Amino acid sequence: DQQVKQNSPSLSVQEGRISILNCDYTNSMFDYFLWYKKYPAEGPTFLISISSIKDKNEDGRFTVFLNKSAKHLSLHIVPSQPGDSAVYFCAATEISGTYKYIFGTGTRLKVLA
Amino acid sequence: GAGVSQSPSNKVTEKGKDVELRCDPISGHTALYWYRQRLGQGLEFLIYFQGNSAPDKSGLPSDRFSAERTGESVSTLTIQRTQQEDSAVYLCASSGGLTDEQYFGPGTRLTVT
Repeated sequence: DQQVKQNSPSLSVQEGRISILNCDYTNSMFDYFLWYKKYPAEGPTFLISISSIKDKNEDGRFTVFLNKSAKHLSLHIVPSQPGDSAVYFCAATEISGTYKYIFGTGTRLKVLA
Repeated sequence: GAGVSQSPSNKVTEKGKDVELRCDPISGHTALYWYRQRLGQGLEFLIYFQGNSAPDKSGLPSDRFSAERTGESVSTLTIQRTQQEDSAVYLCASSGGLTDEQYFGPGTRLTVT
């Protein structure tokens, strides 16, 4: 049972345009969400997080949107840069629960110069 | 400062042998996680350590897998009688607390022949 889903395995975007990466979850108890970026042969690195008390969190070129009713979050990267090319994972957890983070399967973003 | 380190970086072993993977978390981080990433798949939670609390072992796929952590320091993940399906990148992460970002190590690539 995949509780966190990233249905797009890959995405290509032109440099300078917006990249939108999507993530859906099924467990309504999840209340904290994160995005990680992973380059080949490296461990994932944290990008941005959002608590369920918010519907938007912004950090520079990265914005995460949370739609609790739809159980959907998205990561927007504007403007996209070639260095953003990586695999992006969303993760979710229940703060008062088991402290276990559930990761999606990842979306490979390719930003074309 | 030093990040999370893992050793070995690569391990090739014969089916049926035992392997031990090591993780050195960031000093002072109370939480430590082990994940597995099989080819083409997302990060799969294995086990979570938090301070002196009993570890959350709910993600361990079989009783061939075990992990230990010495206080808030080094952790070892042991896989006994390895099988070919154990081939994956094993990632360790540490964090200062549940909602703190996780810092990942570079991973150990395990190949079971």
